[in-house]
Amino acid sequence: NAGVTQTPKFQVLKTGQSMTLQCAQDMNHEYMSWYRQDPGMGLRLIHYSVGAGITDQGEVPNGYNVSRSTTEDFPLRLLSAAPSQTSVYFCASGEANTEAFFGQGTRLTVV
Amino acid sequence: AQSVSQHNHHVILSEAASLELGCNYSYGGTVNLFWYVQYPGQHLQLLLKYFSGDPLVKGIKGFEAEFIKSKFSFNLRKPSVQWSDTAEYFCAVNDGYGNKLVFGAGTILRVKS
Repeated sequence: NAGVTQTPKFQVLKTGQSMTLQCAQDMNHEYMSWYRQDPGMGLRLIHYSVGAGITDQGEVPNGYNVSRSTTEDFPLRLLSAAPSQTSVYFCASGEANTEAFFGQGTRLTVV
Repeated sequence: AQSVSQHNHHVILSEAASLELGCNYSYGGTVNLFWYVQYPGQHLQLLLKYFSGDPLVKGIKGFEAEFIKSKFSFNLRKPSVQWSDTAEYFCAVNDGYGNKLVFGAGTILRVKS
């Protein structure tokens, strides 16, 4: 089992560019989520999905879009990158009332 | 909304010292509690979790945590730390009805050899 796979691992964007961070899980988990990690702030929830076709906003959703067309995939789209979106992004999956399983992370720098 | 407080942002210990990291969450009801560890340059890994039952939970690598409902606390302990425990530690909680987590700010532990 690969678990939760994120691509790319590193990315540099220019302000205003768009991109998609990919996340795939092979554990048939219903729940998937995106977090961003910033120094001294822990991880904060960006968007969340409880199943294919169902998404919801987390604590810091502005500037990000998600969709969940399949159980396996949960891509995160940055529509117009800003320096404030420089961060490490983690995708996670799990079932109700279990721990979350995290991917390796994507380190994004917006210049 | 639920919030999580971790008491110390940086902790420096010598090898063999005992460790206790504090964690408090903001309100009760049904909660599931977690401690995750992030080694330098790596993703988050689960150390231990509490859902119900015995409030003293044992995890991997000799870590344990105690859930005290009346204090809304879930403190992490290890009797004797090793240099390899150098990492950042995160306390997290969910509301028991899904898989969304609220994280504390993290505690960076450095163990001196």
